[in-house]
Amino acid sequence: QKEVEQNSGPLSVPEGAIASLNCTYSDRGSQSFFWYRQYSGKSPELIMSIYSNGDKEDGRFTAQLNKASQYVSLLIRDSQPSDSATYLCAVNSIKAAGNKLTFGGGTRVLVKP
Amino acid sequence: DVKVTQSSRYLVKRTGEKVFLECVQDMDHENMFWYRQDPGLGLRLIYFSYDVKMKEKGDIPEGYSVSREKKERFSLILESASTNQTSMYLCASSLGQFTDTQYFGPGTRLTVL
Repeated sequence: QKEVEQNSGPLSVPEGAIASLNCTYSDRGSQSFFWYRQYSGKSPELIMSIYSNGDKEDGRFTAQLNKASQYVSLLIRDSQPSDSATYLCAVNSIKAAGNKLTFGGGTRVLVKP
Repeated sequence: DVKVTQSSRYLVKRTGEKVFLECVQDMDHENMFWYRQDPGLGLRLIYFSYDVKMKEKGDIPEGYSVSREKKERFSLILESASTNQTSMYLCASSLGQFTDTQYFGPGTRLTVL
């Protein structure tokens, strides 16, 4: 079992719709959760971080964390063509020295006009 | 803004050459990381460092070494480049706590012929 799993996609979403991305993780000691966006040929950039159970909203993005079920999700509301990218879920464990993150394989999102 | 820079965007080397990839961050971050990213395999951690002269192996350290002589600089060394080390190499840094975001450099696309 991979430590952090994501559906590779592509997730095809009409412009203006909600894109829903899911991520599951295996380490119950995980404490910090991050969503990165990566455009083709570019490096990952942080869009959301979440540390507590529940929802966290930032503009059109909402991250949801459920530690009991070991999943974290990302919702993108009013999806735009500029949201077309690969979204990487990353998880940090306090057991890991030096703030080591484990990344999922990423979900490719395509927003169609 | 945090700035992480990498010495080259594109690099072409020959099999057997010694290759140096340099990474510099300007935010006094404690932690620095080297990843490689390959299609279908995602981001994989090669080495990381949580202090000057300290290093820890990541998930795929074979064929690589690192050097951190100064806090702001983290070098990845390919002792004898091989074709299977053709990849995108990404450097990242973070402040120090496990809740802290990792910030990525622009990446180096290395081709080994």
